[in-house]
Amino acid sequence: DTGVSQNPRHKITKRGQNVTFRCDPISEHNRLYWYRQTLGQGPEFLTYFQNEAQLEKSRLLSDRFSAERPKGSFSTLEIQRTEQGDSAMYLCASSLGTGGPTRETQYFGPGTRLLVL
Amino acid sequence: DAKTTQPTSMDCAEGRAANLPCNHSTISGNEYVYWYRQIHSQGPQYIIHGLKNNETNEMASLIITEDRKSSTLILPHATLRDTAVYYCIVRAMDSNYQLIWGAGTKLIIKP
Repeated sequence: DTGVSQNPRHKITKRGQNVTFRCDPISEHNRLYWYRQTLGQGPEFLTYFQNEAQLEKSRLLSDRFSAERPKGSFSTLEIQRTEQGDSAMYLCASSLGTGGPTRETQYFGPGTRLLVL
Repeated sequence: DAKTTQPTSMDCAEGRAANLPCNHSTISGNEYVYWYRQIHSQGPQYIIHGLKNNETNEMASLIITEDRKSSTLILPHATLRDTAVYYCIVRAMDSNYQLIWGAGTKLIIKP
């Protein structure tokens, strides 16, 4: 399978705990995006990387959230001191890069569903 | 990026063509129309994109009006597995890298 993969698929945690999610993009894709989706809503942008550089962060990404892409391949999203409001689906997407609509098309992984008790 | 308006929900009989409309009256000349769908509890799936010409691929056809203020996604022979939320998004290239999503259209295919 050469699509975007995410792990774990499901995570249940208690309020106040830290959680970390991983995303493996499609190989050769140099852009990687994180989105969050709550029930009944479309995804909301969180942040994105061009290779290893984090180029933009949404105001939704509070200081409890941090994302890394250390070698320009896989990425991790960590949430510290989780709150019940963090319960959502966390989606990762990747694209080839810039240079037209085909190269910039984003392909999504299956998501990680987080439940904070 | 321009906003889009889609019906909240639609039904379609299995085997018939499903036509999903999208209004994007404020679209700019350099903005593309993208369609994604999301089957329950899965990540969004890319379907098709276009600028001004009609486009077709193995999944669907995209018809964009001449004034580009609206478009229609056509699933030619809908199956039960096409039941999903369909999102229409407009996005300029090389500018806003993020996709801005509305609530989409819940399409239910009925046997």
